[in-house]
Amino acid sequence: RKEVEQDPGPFNVPEGATVAFNCTYSNSASQSFFWYRQDCRKEPKLLMSVYSSGNEDGRFTAQLNRASQYISLLIRDSKLNDSATYLCVVNYGYGQNFVFGPGTRLSVLP
Amino acid sequence: DGGITQSPKYLFRKEGQNVTLSCEQNLNHDAMYWYRQDPGQGLRLIYYSQIVNDFQKGDIAEGYSVSREKKESFPLTVTSAQKNPTAFYLCASSMGDTAYEQYFGPGTRLTVT
Repeated sequence: RKEVEQDPGPFNVPEGATVAFNCTYSNSASQSFFWYRQDCRKEPKLLMSVYSSGNEDGRFTAQLNRASQYISLLIRDSKLNDSATYLCVVNYGYGQNFVFGPGTRLSVLP
Repeated sequence: DGGITQSPKYLFRKEGQNVTLSCEQNLNHDAMYWYRQDPGQGLRLIYYSQIVNDFQKGDIAEGYSVSREKKESFPLTVTSAQKNPTAFYLCASSMGDTAYEQYFGPGTRLTVT
């Protein structure tokens, strides 16, 4: 079993749609969690950190369920420039080990 | 402007040659990392360093070497021992505490023929 797994995708949604991505992690010792977005042939960029209480940033909402070892990202009112690959990242807290999921590709269509 | 720089953006080498990729950060971050990304694949950790003069192997360190003589710099050498060196190489840094996120440089695309 992979340490961090994500929805395989790709997700093709119309502009204005709401889309949710799921991520599961296998190591219960995980301490911090993040969502990154990566545009084609570019570096990953931090979208948001994920806190235990859940957090929201504009159209983006992240949730963490430690009991189920599950993280989610909800994007409301999708825009064309939301098209990217979304990476789930987990830090286990030792050796500065950030573990990246394989990513879920989103295409927002006009 | 604070950030991470990588150079060059594109690099072409002949098989059998060693090549060194540059990574510099002025964020005063303690930890630095090198990842490799192949087309359509996720990021894989090559090496990381938590402090100056110390570094650890990641999941795919074979055929690579690093040094960390200065806090700001973490160069990666791709040696001729690396079987499939053509890839997108990404450098990142973080504060060094587990709560803090990583920031990435723009990457170097290495093509070896």
